[in-house]
Amino acid sequence: GQQVMQIPQYQHVQEGEDFTTYCNSSTTLSNIQWYKQRPGGHPVFLIQLVKSGEVKKQKRLTFQFGEAKKNSSLHITATQTTDVGTYFCAGQGTDDYKLSFGAGTTVTVRA
Amino acid sequence: SQTIHQWPATLVQPVGSPLSLECTVEGTSNPNLYWYRQAAGRGLQLLFYSVGIGQISSEVPQNLSASRPQDRQFILSSKKLLLSDSGFYLCAWSVTRRYTFGSGTRLTVV
Repeated sequence: GQQVMQIPQYQHVQEGEDFTTYCNSSTTLSNIQWYKQRPGGHPVFLIQLVKSGEVKKQKRLTFQFGEAKKNSSLHITATQTTDVGTYFCAGQGTDDYKLSFGAGTTVTVRA
Repeated sequence: SQTIHQWPATLVQPVGSPLSLECTVEGTSNPNLYWYRQAAGRGLQLLFYSVGIGQISSEVPQNLSASRPQDRQFILSSKKLLLSDSGFYLCAWSVTRRYTFGSGTRLTVV
């Protein structure tokens, strides 16, 4: 199955700054999903990207799916304390319903 | 609406004791079911998945087993816990591509 690599592992951000987390797959994906896990909580679905080159926005969050459908990014603008948590990307293969999760990017925010 | 229940929320067990964690899903039929483990500060490791009653696939060799006695019930078990079994255990279900996770069980083996 596919392996999904995610960087950086940790992101320390000043409140109000922007940051990006990146995700790369060893194989072409049918879709990529992003999840957020708040401290002490469980992963919660944020979004799914299916089309090559797709860009979706959720308020201050911008998600991109690469043209080759092997990489993705999450960009957060004007970081707030509510953005604290771990963001996981998860890729699904073209013939597989299982999700392969990246290691996650844990975000902390300095007020 | 679909909901997923997972219990207990926390568990402290001695080494060598048995384990049984249960997960049930409501509001959907024939879901794919998954057990994940998350070590402290780490990513999600898929342990088992099931596409139907009695159908279990294991992703990694380990001290654990899983069963699906009913369509919407998924059980994670161990006969004898090891210290290395400590972690955050998450059950998830999917019908479409999207996964929905339960609230998890924090297991500490002492």
